[in-house]
Amino acid sequence: DQQVKQNSPSLSVQEGRISILNCDYTNSMFDYFLWYKKYPAEGPTFLISISSIKDKNEDGRFTVFLNKSAKHLSLHIVPSQPGDSAVYFCAASAGGAQKLVFGQGTRLTINP
Amino acid sequence: GAVVSQHPSWVICKSGTSVKIECRSLDFQATTMFWYRQFPKQSLMLMATSNEGSKATYEQGVEKDKFLINHASLTLSTLTVTSAHPEDSSFYICSARDAGRGQETQYFGPGTRLLVL
Repeated sequence: DQQVKQNSPSLSVQEGRISILNCDYTNSMFDYFLWYKKYPAEGPTFLISISSIKDKNEDGRFTVFLNKSAKHLSLHIVPSQPGDSAVYFCAASAGGAQKLVFGQGTRLTINP
Repeated sequence: GAVVSQHPSWVICKSGTSVKIECRSLDFQATTMFWYRQFPKQSLMLMATSNEGSKATYEQGVEKDKFLINHASLTLSTLTVTSAHPEDSSFYICSARDAGRGQETQYFGPGTRLLVL
C-alpha cells in the first residue's frame, strides 16, 4: 500500500518558468511533510518542510502548499534553473513518529 | 549545519564477506539514525531505525541477523551487511535527526554503493 504517491514520474520545464511537483497521501495521520532533492548516486538533500497546521511554507524559490482536505501537497519552484534538474521526493511522517514514508519520486528536467 | 557523512562511498566485495558502513553526524547529535536502501529508479525504502544505546527497530521483511546495526554514540551508527550476496547489491543511505533542534527533519548522508560479486 503506497501511502505517499507521486503520480508523475517525470516533468520537463523551461528555464525561468515555474515547476510544480505534486504529491498525494492516503494516511490522515500524517502531520509533517518534507521535500527532498536527489542527484544520482548521492543522498537526498532536504529542501523544505511543512507542518499540518499550516497550508503554505516559503523558502526562497521554493514554496510548499498543503491541502489537508484533499490530502495533497505540491512544491513550486520559481524561477526554475538548470541546477534544479534532479529527482524530487516528497515524504511524510505521522504524530511525531520518527519514520518517514517516501513517494516514488519525480524526475524534474529544466530545459534551457 | 546538519551534515551527515558516510564511509565508504562505494565498496566492492566478494560474496560471503561482511561489509561495514559508517554513518556520522558531523555537527550535531543524533539520538536516532535511519538506514535506507534504494534500488535503481525506485524510492527509498526504510530498513531500520537506529537508536543510540538501544537495539535497532527493523522494518518488516528486513533480516536483523543479516543487517546488523550498532548505534554506539550520539554521532555514529554502523550498518554491517553480513555474508553479503549479489542480491544485497544496492545503494545504502543513512539519515539522522538533529535531537537539539527538536524537528522531524532527517538529514541524509551521501550514500554507499555496495556491489557484491
